[in-house]
Amino acid sequence: AQRVTQPEKLLSVFKGAPVELKCNYSYSGSPELFWYVQYSRQRLQLLLRHISRESIKGFTADLNKGETSFHLKKPFAQEEDSAMYYCALIGRGSEKLVFGKGTKLTVNP
Amino acid sequence: DAGVIQSPRHEVTEMGQEVTLRCKPISGHNSLFWYRQTMMRGLELLIYFNNNVPIDDSGMPEDRFSAKMPNASFSTLKIQPSEPRDSAVYFCASSLWQGNGELFFGEGSRLTVL
Repeated sequence: AQRVTQPEKLLSVFKGAPVELKCNYSYSGSPELFWYVQYSRQRLQLLLRHISRESIKGFTADLNKGETSFHLKKPFAQEEDSAMYYCALIGRGSEKLVFGKGTKLTVNP
Repeated sequence: DAGVIQSPRHEVTEMGQEVTLRCKPISGHNSLFWYRQTMMRGLELLIYFNNNVPIDDSGMPEDRFSAKMPNASFSTLKIQPSEPRDSAVYFCASSLWQGNGELFFGEGSRLTVL
């Protein structure tokens, strides 16, 4: 079974501070992991995926298969990063995208 | 492209009434997904279609829920009869059938059952 766990419902940091949003997963095969973001009054949208190994808006995420984690990191948080962040998993060959419960990030001035 | 279009944006109804939520996917996308979002359970996948065919409906909570996709440009999610615990935001999303995990979401339909 696919399962995604985001242990923090709420996370609050100050502008310029590093931020890490935690994500752990459970899947028997080789999963693909994603981070989605929902800014206030906007649609839920893809932020980044692990296979791309890219940095989007300063965010990066590394898949750690040993720890079954896919934490999202940014060295210097900005106020515009305040949003709801969802970690998601899809099994290879599947279209079934399973989400964690989300973490609400607030970046204070 | 206007993206995924959902209607209504807000619906308030009384317990026992039938509710129909509608979705128009992005033109050319051949996968469509219905999710439910609540504070307690987060985003739950209810059902998804590929080429208008339901592939996995294991997330549909009970027989009161049904979903159809009569053609490539339209899908409905129906709740009959509705109950207060169905109150949630219902999202529709579409994608190309590639397994790359990139879904395009609508703005959601906020349902309140009194």
